[in-house]
Formats: sequence, C-alpha cells, structure tokens
Amino acid sequence: DARVTQTPRHKVTEMGQEVTMRCQPILGHNTVFWYRQTMMQGLELLAYFRNRAPLDDSGMPKDRFSAEMPDATLATLKIQPSEPRDSAVYFCASSLEGQNTEAFFGQGTRLTVV
Amino acid sequence: SQQGEEDPQALSIQEGENATMNCSYKTSINNLQWYRQNSGRGLVHLILIRSNEREKHSGRLRVTLDTSKKSSSLLITASRAADTASYFCATDPGGSYIPTFGRGTSLIVHP
Repeated sequence: DARVTQTPRHKVTEMGQEVTMRCQPILGHNTVFWYRQTMMQGLELLAYFRNRAPLDDSGMPKDRFSAEMPDATLATLKIQPSEPRDSAVYFCASSLEGQNTEAFFGQGTRLTVV
Repeated sequence: SQQGEEDPQALSIQEGENATMNCSYKTSINNLQWYRQNSGRGLVHLILIRSNEREKHSGRLRVTLDTSKKSSSLLITASRAADTASYFCATDPGGSYIPTFGRGTSLIVHP
C-alpha cells in the first residue's frame, strides 16, 4: 500500500527550539511538495522539489525555514528557531513527474509552538 | 491570495441529497483537481480534470470544468454521512503543474 509517510505526527515544542519534520515520499515519485495548513491562511505551498532539486521555496520564510532532500526517500523541513506563529499542520505530498498527475498527501505533522 | 476559491464555504444537507461545490480560479491552468480532507487527516485525491476536458465522472462524483469562465464544479450524488469532510480544489496557476489550493468547502451530511 504505497503512501507518503510523515514523522512525527504531533510535535509540541517551546519557542526558540529547532523542529525537524520528515517525509518519506512514495517510492518512484520524483516530485515532493511541502504545504502548511492553518485556519487563517488555508493550505500554503512552502517548497517543492523535483528529482531532489529545490525548484521553488518562495513560500517559505527563509530566515528560519529550510527544506532539503538528502536522498530520494527522505525530505526534511526544518524550523530554527521556532515561533508560536509557526503552529500549524505541515503536509508533505509527492507525485510522479508532476504533470497532470495527482499529488498523494501524508497525514501531516501537527506542530504546536508554545 | 488564493488561486482557487471554493463556494460555498459551508454546506449542510441531508443524506440522499446531492451536494454541489464550486471553484473559481484566476489564471490559465493545465489541470484542476479536487481533494477531500476528513477532520485531522491528510488530503485524499478525488479526481483530476485536464484543461481540455469538460466533464469527468468517478463513482458518485461528477466534475465539470469551464475554462472560459475559469470555474469548476464538484457534484456528489446521493450523499452519505460518510461524505462529511472538507473539499478542496487545486489548480496549477499558469500551467505550472504545482497544486495550489483554495480554502475549501466544509460539507456536513446529516444522517
């Protein structure tokens, strides 16, 4: 049963701490997206990768957020230092080729920064 | 600002009725997708319609696309309580193939 796996599912951390969220895309998918979902802003695209190369991270606050794909089976989203306004659900999604194909979403990481 | 906007924001119906949700967008697209999200869960893909298609069916779902009006509709026929969820449309602005989401329609189906 192919699916996108995200860890952790829930994270509570104190302001100023580093947070790392991980995503395992579906094997063979070459496009990975990171989204953030809040009540106020809805689903916002933070970054996306194709063939492990970052193509667009304009939606991401550069001073504290970073996204990487160390290999084809792992994508990471890091926040350092975290702030209360970063509290949200972060979703990773993957797709094949990224052209007229569906994106498969993980279950998300619910982040709470106190 | 959002590329796609769903309408209505919330919809409450009785089981067995049809539910219609609409999506409007601003720029040219290659495709439009509809997703469903149950509370506290990830998004599940329902259907993709290409810009050169006008209508598509999948089970109880019917999607239409009018590129001249930059709008789409999702019809769920014979709704069930299990259809209760939020429904999102996603377009790829400017033909970018990057799914960009609206704020969603919250559907409640009463048994």
